[in-house]
Amino acid sequence: ETGVTQTPRHLVMGMTNKKSLKCEQHLGHNAMYWYKQSAKKPLELMFVYSLEERVENNSVPSRFSPECPNSSHLFLHLHTLQPEDSALYLCASSQEGLSSYNEQFFGPGTRLTVL
Amino acid sequence: SQQGEEDPQALSIQEGENATMNCSYKTSINNLQWYRQNSGRGLVHLILIRSNEREKHSGRLRVTLDTSKKSSSLLITASRAADTASYFCATGFQKLVFGTGTRLLVSP
Repeated sequence: ETGVTQTPRHLVMGMTNKKSLKCEQHLGHNAMYWYKQSAKKPLELMFVYSLEERVENNSVPSRFSPECPNSSHLFLHLHTLQPEDSALYLCASSQEGLSSYNEQFFGPGTRLTVL
Repeated sequence: SQQGEEDPQALSIQEGENATMNCSYKTSINNLQWYRQNSGRGLVHLILIRSNEREKHSGRLRVTLDTSKKSSSLLITASRAADTASYFCATGFQKLVFGTGTRLLVSP
């Protein structure tokens, strides 16, 4: 266990559904991330939150909406997704600071299938 | 971008053999990290090497860094079936950029 949990682990949804992915970190970190991992593609950074403020939005379609209510929790709200959005969604956290080197701790991921 | 590219894409070896994976990147870095991912799971941080370091060891792992060639290698010695996984290098600070990974298969 890395100290980062994600729920649900598996999710199947239709294109008209609205669902949310949840991530929680128990490490006292101050930065959290969402990544998308599709088959045969590099891991894609979607969003970065540092001190609960979004500092990176990597050209992600608006059907993905992140929320970071506090430093321990991160959500990814999904609506009107497309089949090509099917992927493994990974959450990560890290401790940012002048003396840190941004080792990231990953959750187990949510396997999303969009029908 | 500082995209890491791993080589080879796939590697198949027998238990007890050594496995070497390489990573190349494009721009100057402060550090380079290696991560491991078991099938369909999250990534696990293995080792970080700073730009002023040339070699680093952790257990059966040995990482080298050649900033003049913008490349790094990960060596796993005396491999075990449990080492079967994908291995990724990553560069960057807040925004890590990962390569496509090397899929390692260690057969008993």
